[in-house]
Amino acid sequence: EDQVTQSPEALRLQEGESSSLNCSYTVSGLRGLFWYRQDPGKGPEFLFTLYSAGEEKEKERLKATLTKKESFLHITAPKPEDSATYLCAVPRSGGSYIPTFGRGTSLIVHP
Amino acid sequence: DTEVTQTPKHLVMGMTNKKSLKCEQHMGHRAMYWYKQKAKKPPELMFVYSYEKLSINESVPSRFSPECPNSSLLNLHLHALQPEDSALYLCASSQSRDQPQHFGDGTRLSIL
Repeated sequence: EDQVTQSPEALRLQEGESSSLNCSYTVSGLRGLFWYRQDPGKGPEFLFTLYSAGEEKEKERLKATLTKKESFLHITAPKPEDSATYLCAVPRSGGSYIPTFGRGTSLIVHP
Repeated sequence: DTEVTQTPKHLVMGMTNKKSLKCEQHMGHRAMYWYKQKAKKPPELMFVYSYEKLSINESVPSRFSPECPNSSLLNLHLHALQPEDSALYLCASSQSRDQPQHFGDGTRLSIL
């Protein structure tokens, strides 16, 4: 059974305090891993797609990396506006393109 | 600004009402989706349209009825909903399989 597990469930940081969010997955034949950011009352905003182990993507203070079993979202010197829930998702096994979402990490960055 | 537009942003309805949610995208995407999201939970897939045909129905109750009039539009018709159907309803689209989905900002639905 496909599984996507995100940790920690919640994370509080001080502004400027770098950290990482984890997304571990079990799926047959990974065909991509997606990271999203979701603000309260809004839809998820697409951040990154990673397709193969060793791949890295960057956007401003965010950097996503992928291994064969997990992905990390590194946040460098976060600011309060980085506060959001971060979701990762992978397409289901068996050729489906329907994503299985993790439960997300709620990030709060204090000024 | 999101490229997937959903209307209305908020909807309050009684259990006997009939209403519709609308979704529009102009990115040329050929797959469109409806999701339901409860507070502090990930989005939960309801329906998938691929090339304007319903390809996936995740055992959703018949009080929810999707419609895809053309490649840019997606509707969700609501009838005789229950209080537990109160949630954020999200529409998404994607270029094709294995491509990331792009979400609208949702319709916040409250059932009285």
